[in-house]
Amino acid sequence: NAGVTQTPKFQVLKTGQSMTLQCAQDMNHNSMYWYRQDPGMGLRLIYYSASEGTTDKGEVPNGYNVSRLNKREFSLRLESAAPSQTSVYFCASSGTRDRGSNEQFFGPGTRLTVL
Amino acid sequence: GENVEQHPSTLSVQEGDSAVIKCTYSDSASNYFPWYKQELGKGPQLIIDIRSNVGEKKDQRIAVTLNKTAKHFSLHITETQPEDSAVYFCAASVGGTSYGKLTFGQGTILTVHP
Repeated sequence: NAGVTQTPKFQVLKTGQSMTLQCAQDMNHNSMYWYRQDPGMGLRLIYYSASEGTTDKGEVPNGYNVSRLNKREFSLRLESAAPSQTSVYFCASSGTRDRGSNEQFFGPGTRLTVL
Repeated sequence: GENVEQHPSTLSVQEGDSAVIKCTYSDSASNYFPWYKQELGKGPQLIIDIRSNVGEKKDQRIAVTLNKTAKHFSLHITETQPEDSAVYFCAASVGGTSYGKLTFGQGTILTVHP
């Protein structure tokens, strides 16, 4: 049981390049999330998927797109990277909306630098 | 939308002392308040959470208190140990369809000196 896995761990891009961050979970969770973490700002929600087949914007969606490929996988795409997107990106997943299932499990993160 | 403020940003204590981190939130509809611990190079991990129908919750050396009237909640760590050194985040969310949408505080770097 690997939990939440993310690839790659590190990535350096040039301004204008595109890339996709991959996330997978093996806990049969319904909901998945993408956050970015910047110094002094905590974690901010980019996009989330409440269930397979649905996605919705979070607090900072501009410059990103997501795909909920199936129940296990949720990818984050940067179409044209900008230096302001330099950050650490975390994927998370959680169970259902039932009480007691709200814990979000986080992956190890992807450290992205845009030059 | 929800806004969560967390203080202090850094906290340094001696081993065995207590540590307290405080958060305030703005949306009176928020009803779920988790606390996460993040160790260096890792993703955050839930350590304790509390719902709005409860005023206090304890788990060994960790406790969380909630004051819904004042819209603030706090994390209390007693008998701190060096392995408690990490970044701690509070968060808040509203139930229903937004149940999973957490708004995080800015984080507190806790250092426990042996």
